[in-house]
Amino acid sequence: EVQLLESGGGLVNPGGSLGLSCAASGFTLNTYSMNWVRQAPGKGLEWVSSITSVGDKYYAGSVKGRFAISRDSAGNSLYLQMNSLGVEDTAVYYCARRDGYDVFDLWGQGTVVTVSS
Amino acid sequence: QAVLTQPSSLSASPGASASLTCALRSGINVDTYRIYWYQQKAGSPPQYVLRYKSDSEKQRGSGVPSRFYGSKDASANAGILLISGVQSDDEADYYCVIWHSGAWVFGGGTRLTVL
Repeated sequence: EVQLLESGGGLVNPGGSLGLSCAASGFTLNTYSMNWVRQAPGKGLEWVSSITSVGDKYYAGSVKGRFAISRDSAGNSLYLQMNSLGVEDTAVYYCARRDGYDVFDLWGQGTVVTVSS
Repeated sequence: QAVLTQPSSLSASPGASASLTCALRSGINVDTYRIYWYQQKAGSPPQYVLRYKSDSEKQRGSGVPSRFYGSKDASANAGILLISGVQSDDEADYYCVIWHSGAWVFGGGTRLTVL
């Protein structure tokens, strides 16, 4: 079955760090552009970061310099390293695949990140 | 001013049509953009609905009914998601998305309520 499964969410203090993972099954992750999209409680969707099939990386202005996207060489997992976290980073973080038409065509169920003291 | 502006809410009666708008910020020409639409039901991740750039460049997602179609209103500089014959199952949040200046930009979303 083709699916994405996020993990690594949790409670972290302001200023702390957290690493998220997204495991792909049923397809090879590094043949697609992969993305992180987040949703703060009761709010809309916000794109966070992308990594293309050739390894180009893009970040939203709100996370640039603090977050780092990466993937493993085997093409099975996507990562998001989050540093200097603030309360505004509290959200459900979704991993999403983007197809050749730039459609976010496959989404995980999300992992919850809570930044609070 | 936000890049994409969507009404926060819209209500429609079963069987009626619902027109969800996505206005692009002044200075960003809707004609040059491919607009993507996603549906998100409570407690679930978003799902792709359709993309629209022009009548010759459009695509509905797999399994998405033909009741959903996209268009643009050049005079309003806006993308439109039109749902005809609204059903109770259409009740959800709808987001428009574009690729702009090196970033994916999501609109704030419209909550469609089916009364």
